[in-house]
Amino acid sequence: DAGITQSPRYKITETGRQVTLMCHQTWSHSYMFWYRQDLGHGLRLIYYSAAADITDKGEVPDGYVVSRSKTENFPLTLESATRSQTSVYFCASRRQGAEAFFGQGTRLTVV
Amino acid sequence: DAKTTQPPSMDCAEGRAANLPCNHSTISGNEYVYWYRQIHSQGPQYIIHGLKNNETNEMASLIITEDRKSSTLILPHATLRDTAVYYCIVRVENAGGTSYGKLTFGQGTILTVHP
Repeated sequence: DAGITQSPRYKITETGRQVTLMCHQTWSHSYMFWYRQDLGHGLRLIYYSAAADITDKGEVPDGYVVSRSKTENFPLTLESATRSQTSVYFCASRRQGAEAFFGQGTRLTVV
Repeated sequence: DAKTTQPPSMDCAEGRAANLPCNHSTISGNEYVYWYRQIHSQGPQYIIHGLKNNETNEMASLIITEDRKSSTLILPHATLRDTAVYYCIVRVENAGGTSYGKLTFGQGTILTVHP
């Protein structure tokens, strides 16, 4: 099916573990984004990508790593998860000059 | 990108028009006004966008003042399902560069539609 999908939808991990959140879009959109959403902070941009192999930091990049080897995938990795990274993570994509489409989110809990 | 100011919350009766204001007094000539909404626990959903002229689609209308310093999103016949957080975002559309296209969300307006 066409669209943007995130996996997993829910994840519980332990402090210090590495965890990767996946994002896949079927439109071949150039631009992809990762946001986190916490109560009291709204949506904050973590990383974004303008094309394959082109990524840049957003507002809150510390503790996260991204890659974009293929246009359709934009995984977000927490190299050593901390409790402060407990959040809901949203991935989005858009093509040039158009609106962004968001995934359904991944709810991550770090214990 | 220019900063936006929205009221934190608004109420609207079902069936009536909901008018959500947004102030973007520092908007520059090449910045578009975008509206998104987020229904509880879901990903944000695009509603409408515009540059200078008023815009209308199947979901809403966007009225942009002549000086472009403010805009209003209009939901003509609000329903209970329109209860959501509404975000007004201004964004520049550059010809290139890696900053192109990123969205910066503010706190938005919590719209509550009541019976």
